[in-house]
Amino acid sequence: RKEVEQDPGPFNVPEGATVAFNCTYSNSASQSFFWYRQDCRKEPKLLMSVYSSGNEDGRFTAQLNRASQYISLLIRDSKLSDSATYLCVVIEDSSYKLIFGSGTRLLVRP
Amino acid sequence: GAGVSQSPRYKVAKRGQDVALRCDPISGHVSLFWYQQALGQGPEFLTYFQNEAQLDKSGLPSDRFFAERPEGSVSTLKIQRTQQEDSAVYLCASSPRNREQYFGPGTRLTVT
Repeated sequence: RKEVEQDPGPFNVPEGATVAFNCTYSNSASQSFFWYRQDCRKEPKLLMSVYSSGNEDGRFTAQLNRASQYISLLIRDSKLSDSATYLCVVIEDSSYKLIFGSGTRLLVRP
Repeated sequence: GAGVSQSPRYKVAKRGQDVALRCDPISGHVSLFWYQQALGQGPEFLTYFQNEAQLDKSGLPSDRFFAERPEGSVSTLKIQRTQQEDSAVYLCASSPRNREQYFGPGTRLTVT
C-alpha cells in the first residue's frame, strides 16, 4: 500500500466549476501536510500547507482530518490556468523527506 | 533571484553508461534533496544533504547511485552502469534548513 494515495483523475471540469480532490495517508505519525502543483514537464511548486484547522488561500481551501488520515483540496471558480497535476504531500514524524502521492490531474475546459 | 538550477536538462544514455547530473541550489540554502520522478508518478526521495554531510541516502535504489556535495553547495548525482529502469526525471530541491523545499526544473534521463 502506498504511503500517500490519490485518485489519479483526470478531473475534467468547465471553467467556473468547483472541484475537490482527496488524499489519504497511511502513517498516523505524519506531521506536516501540503498540496503541490505540477504543470506538465515542470517542477512541483508549493501550492499551500494544510493545517488541522483548515485553511484558505483565495479560491483554494485545504482541510485535514487526522482521525481519518485524510486531506482535501477544494478549488472554487476554476480557471483554465488551474489545469495541472495536484500532488498531495506528507512529512512523517520529524523527518524532512517529502512523501508524494501520485497526483491528481485536473483539466479545466472553456 | 536565481532559483535552483540543474544540468543537463535532458540526457540520453546508452544502457551501461555512467551519467552525472548536476544541481546548483539557491545560494545559502543549507539543505539539498534529490528526488526521482517516474512517468505518471509523484517524486520519490533519494537522498538528503545538510551542508556537505549526506545525512540520509535511504532512498537510493541501488549501489549504482551515488551523490555528493563536497563543498556544501553544488551537488552531483552519479548513476553508474545505467539501466532502462533508471529512466526518469531527477529533481533537486533546496531549502533554508528544512523549511519549504524549492525544486529545480529537473533532468530528464532516458536510458536506451
